[in-house]
Amino acid sequence: EADIYQTPRYLVIGTGKKITLECSQTMGHDKMYWYQQDPGMELHLIHYSYGVNSTEKGDLSSESTVSRIRTEHFPLTLESARPSHTSQYLCASSEGAHTGELFFGEGSRLTVL
Amino acid sequence: GENVEQHPSTLSVQEGDSAVIKCTYSDSAPNYFPWYKQELGKGPQLIIDIRSNVGEKKDQRIAVTLNKTAKHFSLHITETQPEDSAVYFCAASMDSNYQLIWGAGTKLIIKP
Repeated sequence: EADIYQTPRYLVIGTGKKITLECSQTMGHDKMYWYQQDPGMELHLIHYSYGVNSTEKGDLSSESTVSRIRTEHFPLTLESARPSHTSQYLCASSEGAHTGELFFGEGSRLTVL
Repeated sequence: GENVEQHPSTLSVQEGDSAVIKCTYSDSAPNYFPWYKQELGKGPQLIIDIRSNVGEKKDQRIAVTLNKTAKHFSLHITETQPEDSAVYFCAASMDSNYQLIWGAGTKLIIKP
């Protein structure tokens, strides 16, 4: 069982609201990731971090931002949510370059009305 | 750029039969090929992986084969069971930082 947690699991909000999706892991992993998963199943990397104070944008352009102030915590923020942000957001972590395995949280399903 | 194509997008098999999902890659030098299983309402979970110096790897009912010449790798599930129903993703790692390039996923349905 992976020790990576996402909250909230489900969120329904109105357009223009600011939201933060929380992700925490207790495995001491340096690398953390945020993926966006549409109903069509594909996984798109939107942000990643190789350690504290390190954040990079992924392959899919996203209006969200992330921060990595502590090793175990990697929150994702949308300053002004829009219906186009409706999706599932998956957080993951990995031990390092030579391991390869990603440990995923259960996801946060966001609906913007 | 790098690309991983996964087929089929949906696969329906009779319980007890075998299932095969195939992925092809376009980059010349990926070195790591994991397979993830995503059950409904959960995040993906690694089920098996293979590195480029190995041609085949088996773990109970699951096996992965790699054909570097043809640039494809496949997931084989034998004696399928209802709990195998899920979405399966292949991926390939294209650089030393192990950033994964993902396939689009295969929805596997096990018919009773």
